[in-house]
Amino acid sequence: DAGVIQSPRHEVTEMGQEVTLRCKPISGHNSLFWYRQTMMRGLELLIYFNNNVPIDDSGMPEDRFSAKMPNASFSTLKIQPSEPRDSAVYFCASRPKRADNEQFFGPGTRLTVL
Amino acid sequence: AQSVTQLDSQVPVFEEAPVELRCNYSSSVSVYLFWYVQYPNQGLQLLLKYLSGSTLVKGINGFEAEFNKSQTSFHLRKPSVHISDTAEYFCAVSRGSSYKLIFGSGTRLLVRP
Repeated sequence: DAGVIQSPRHEVTEMGQEVTLRCKPISGHNSLFWYRQTMMRGLELLIYFNNNVPIDDSGMPEDRFSAKMPNASFSTLKIQPSEPRDSAVYFCASRPKRADNEQFFGPGTRLTVL
Repeated sequence: AQSVTQLDSQVPVFEEAPVELRCNYSSSVSVYLFWYVQYPNQGLQLLLKYLSGSTLVKGINGFEAEFNKSQTSFHLRKPSVHISDTAEYFCAVSRGSSYKLIFGSGTRLLVRP
């Protein structure tokens, strides 16, 4: 089975540019998460979707960040405009509908904002 | 609020030696506990999880962990490590069926020949 798919794997952009990260969750999973990983702050939950609906976006840093899930098989995380402090690895994870909270992670997108 | 403490930021060990990576969590209610491994430039992969039942949990790649409710610990162990076990290991806790996974800061396991 295919795991969580993320694209691009690496993104280098200049400050002020728009960045769009993409995620395809595992088929049949009904929850999707976006995380950010940095050396300073570790793994942070940015936003959580359940059945394509955003449930908790309290981790989104500021208005420059937005996330959408137009259908069960696709989600985007957009940063506009990007800043150097947004440089990090961004992970998408999905979870099936069951009692425990095991989450399945994608390979991540390493974002560098110059 | 939930928190997870991984006491060691880095653990160097020689190949074929045993290793223990420590994890403590803060909670007085039922929790689910997880260990994830992250190899360089990859995502997180589940090693093992504790939901209920036996306190000794066996995972992939020869790892196991023991849930200790009185000490609120969930330490990860392997009796003999390999070079390929070099990676970052994350302990995580979830309160019941909450969607939030609270991660520790990670422990870098460095296996030397």
